[in-house]
Amino acid sequence: GESVGLHLPTLSVQEGDNSIINCAYSNSASDYFIWYKQESGKGPQFIIDIRSNMDKRQGQRVTVLLNKTVKHLSLQIAATQPGDSAVYFCAETRRGSNYKLTFGKGTLLTVNP
Amino acid sequence: GAVVSQHPSRVICKSGTSVKIECRSLDFQATTMFWYRQFPKQSLMLMATSNEGSKATYEQGVEKDKFLINHASLTLSTLTVTSAHPEDSSFYICSARVGGQRTDTQYFGPGTRLTVL
Repeated sequence: GESVGLHLPTLSVQEGDNSIINCAYSNSASDYFIWYKQESGKGPQFIIDIRSNMDKRQGQRVTVLLNKTVKHLSLQIAATQPGDSAVYFCAETRRGSNYKLTFGKGTLLTVNP
Repeated sequence: GAVVSQHPSRVICKSGTSVKIECRSLDFQATTMFWYRQFPKQSLMLMATSNEGSKATYEQGVEKDKFLINHASLTLSTLTVTSAHPEDSSFYICSARVGGQRTDTQYFGPGTRLTVL
């Protein structure tokens, strides 16, 4: 069925290293993708988004890459900091879905000082 | 801007009672709000879509008579868990989409932790 999933459930990195979190989606009709950060006991926090007419978008210390050919999405965090420790979710939506988001399984990022 | 609040943040109730959770958009009007449920170490699962002034649209498998949703104004949606049971214990999160814009961006509330004894 249609789904959005992640390759790695956990990721542990050293402070200062770059982190890469991956996400796969199966619906070729998906046209808008978002990365969210969720800290323990809190709601998801918007990080960065990308539309299907783009393959790369950069923010502050974060970059999202979209490969529509293989239906793959990644989030790159530069110079990872302890405050980046959280669960990261990718989510997708598509035209005609009434803006409903489908979330991936999540990746727990742990940054070691 | 684009702040969404939820109340209460945490609630503990006895089995069989009903619990109401409020979701408010503080600095914008939200024509559409969404309710999610999240179990420990799992992802967010959409329960229903709430449009101001109309009936909510529930996802498959979500009982509309158990999870009552009201979206009476452009800044407030409520979720009432009726006759709650221990299996309803979960983290309930709402989100809101900014009205009047051709945008898919949703802003999330801080969540409500429900524990049913």
